[in-house]
Amino acid sequence: GAVVSQHPSWVICKSGTSVKIECRSLDFQATTMFWYRQFPKQSLMLMATSNEGSKATYEQGVEKDKFLINHASLTLSTLTVTSAHPEDSSFYICSSWGGVNNEQFFGPGTRLTVL
Amino acid sequence: AQSVTQLDSHVSVSEGTPVLLRCNYSSSYSPSLFWYVQHPNKGLQLLLKYTSAATLVKGINGFEAEFKKSETSFHLTKPSAHMSDAAEYFCVVSDSSASKIIFGSGTRLSIRP
Repeated sequence: GAVVSQHPSWVICKSGTSVKIECRSLDFQATTMFWYRQFPKQSLMLMATSNEGSKATYEQGVEKDKFLINHASLTLSTLTVTSAHPEDSSFYICSSWGGVNNEQFFGPGTRLTVL
Repeated sequence: AQSVTQLDSHVSVSEGTPVLLRCNYSSSYSPSLFWYVQHPNKGLQLLLKYTSAATLVKGINGFEAEFKKSETSFHLTKPSAHMSDAAEYFCVVSDSSASKIIFGSGTRLSIRP
């Protein structure tokens, strides 16, 4: 299957700082990428759909000014958590949609801990 | 609108016994259905997928699932559980273009020695 990478895999930051998470589609060009958040012992919740060259589409309840998404190229989408607070601590997972069979490929996730 | 319900939040079986993880879906059109596995602090791994071909789908690690339209179910099974199967399992439904997918709440599978 296609490979999707995320960087960093784990980040700890102080409250009030901003953190950028990168998601790369290594095997194919992805016009659409997705960002999910997973709290401990819970399922994945879709945060936003990232479209190359246009604004991201955010799910209800997700603050677009807090979770900035940039999809500047067909292989890279970034999620920036601005002014992070402890309640933003979570596992963030991205996925790329595409490939030969038009399916979703998930990245390994980024664990964010805000102190 | 689409939705997916995983009927059990936790399933515990003995090693070597069969596994059954239940999933029901709701979709206004022909859905694509997936099962993913997530080991602790790891990303998601695709076990198998149904995309309107054969109703009995075989996946990796001996898992399989059967799409039953009349029951709107897509239960995941394995004949004999292995200790390494202990993980969180997610049933997922999407539209035909897979442009948006909905995750179930997950089922934690525990394996007793």
